[in-house]
Amino acid sequence: DTEVTQTPKHLVMGMTNKKSLKCEQHMGHRAMYWYKQKAKKPPELMFVYSYEKLSINESVPSRFSPECPNSSLLNLHLHALQPEDSALYLCASSHETGGFGTGELFFGEGSRLTVL
Amino acid sequence: GIQVEQSPPDLILQEGANSTLRCNFSDSVNNLQWFHQNPWGQLINLFYIPSGTKQNGRLSATTVATERYSLLYISSSQTTDSGVYFCAVEVPSGTYKYIFGTGTRLKVLA
Repeated sequence: DTEVTQTPKHLVMGMTNKKSLKCEQHMGHRAMYWYKQKAKKPPELMFVYSYEKLSINESVPSRFSPECPNSSLLNLHLHALQPEDSALYLCASSHETGGFGTGELFFGEGSRLTVL
Repeated sequence: GIQVEQSPPDLILQEGANSTLRCNFSDSVNNLQWFHQNPWGQLINLFYIPSGTKQNGRLSATTVATERYSLLYISSSQTTDSGVYFCAVEVPSGTYKYIFGTGTRLKVLA
């Protein structure tokens, strides 16, 4: 079962709201990722968790706050966002191959966020 | 940082035609994947191909890591092949830092 599940599929929020995006995988992967994709652009890496520890933060503004409660779950907490943060947010997971490179990435369907 | 360029940026084909998409990368890579992003935004895995050649039905891919490029071949294209094709590379090895290429937008006409 190669499935990554993201909720919600669509989210509309105001600039003063607090919301969360959720991601779940049951493939036993120990690396989980958040990517952001603007229209007609490639996905851009935001955060990587490895063994539930944050290993990469690509200088993302603090209004985005990731959390990895356990090896199957990844959250992205959103607060005081700007309209330019409207985008497709993609979650992914992969095996960790012990220093020989990351395994294959598997993506969820994405959460489409609109900030008003 | 590494540059990952794809060509052509846009491609329009008649149904049944063949095409070759190219991914060039500016540094050595340990992993390379090809994805198809459908009109709803989902990224679908096509190939995990750090080196060598793989085939899956009408699609095949070749990565020549020493020359820093990968090719995706689509034969007998169908309208359902429309969408955006991305390659993604992990650099440096073992960092989990997958960087996406610029993408090729493909439209297949009936």
